Amino acid sequence: SAVISQKPSRDICQRGTSLTIQCQVDSQVTMMFWYRQQPGQSLTLIATANQGSEATYESGFVIDKFPISRPNLTFSTLTVSNMSPEDSSIYLCSVKSSYNEQFFGPGTRLTVL
Amino acid sequence: QQQVKQSPQSLIVQKGGISIINCAYENTAFDYFPWYQQFPGKGPALLIAIRPDVSEKKEGRFTISFNKSAKQFSLHIMDSQPGDSATYFCAASRTGGGNKLTFGTGTQLKVEL
Repeated sequence: SAVISQKPSRDICQRGTSLTIQCQVDSQVTMMFWYRQQPGQSLTLIATANQGSEATYESGFVIDKFPISRPNLTFSTLTVSNMSPEDSSIYLCSVKSSYNEQFFGPGTRLTVL
Repeated sequence: QQQVKQSPQSLIVQKGGISIINCAYENTAFDYFPWYQQFPGKGPALLIAIRPDVSEKKEGRFTISFNKSAKQFSLHIMDSQPGDSATYFCAASRTGGGNKLTFGTGTQLKVEL
């Protein structure tokens, strides 16, 4: 399985500011995904990030709020823009292996005050 | 069509007992059914997965049972241990759908001594 790291591991931010979350993988992967997990809840897919193309967003998520970059096959960033307390969640990146398995990073725990 | 329903929401099992978590899906196009284990403060870890061409898959103490006609699958944890205490998520995806995972709502398992 791939080794995935995320930075920062946690952060406390003021409303109206933005935070960029980094996801680094130890091997080249075609597909990377960003999920949100609200406190005590399940995981919801925000977007799929493929290298060399625009990210594909799920219903309810827009690029202006969650811009994503995918500059190469081992790295991606998710920005949470103009944050409000409702954005307080765990943000997780995941990667798809060649066997179609998905592996998750440790998550970034965001609290917005 | 995209929902995955998971039950129970929480489960308490005695050490050495069998833990059983059930999931049901609606979309017959789903062709990959993984289970994830998540400990507090950690990202979900892939536990075991099954495809619809088999009715059962076993890995150590963990078994997935799959009923294609009923559109249901379940996780059985044999000889449950306190270290198994975690939140378990079932999920489903389809190959033609970008391998996007649709998650169940999660089951909090507590294994008591």
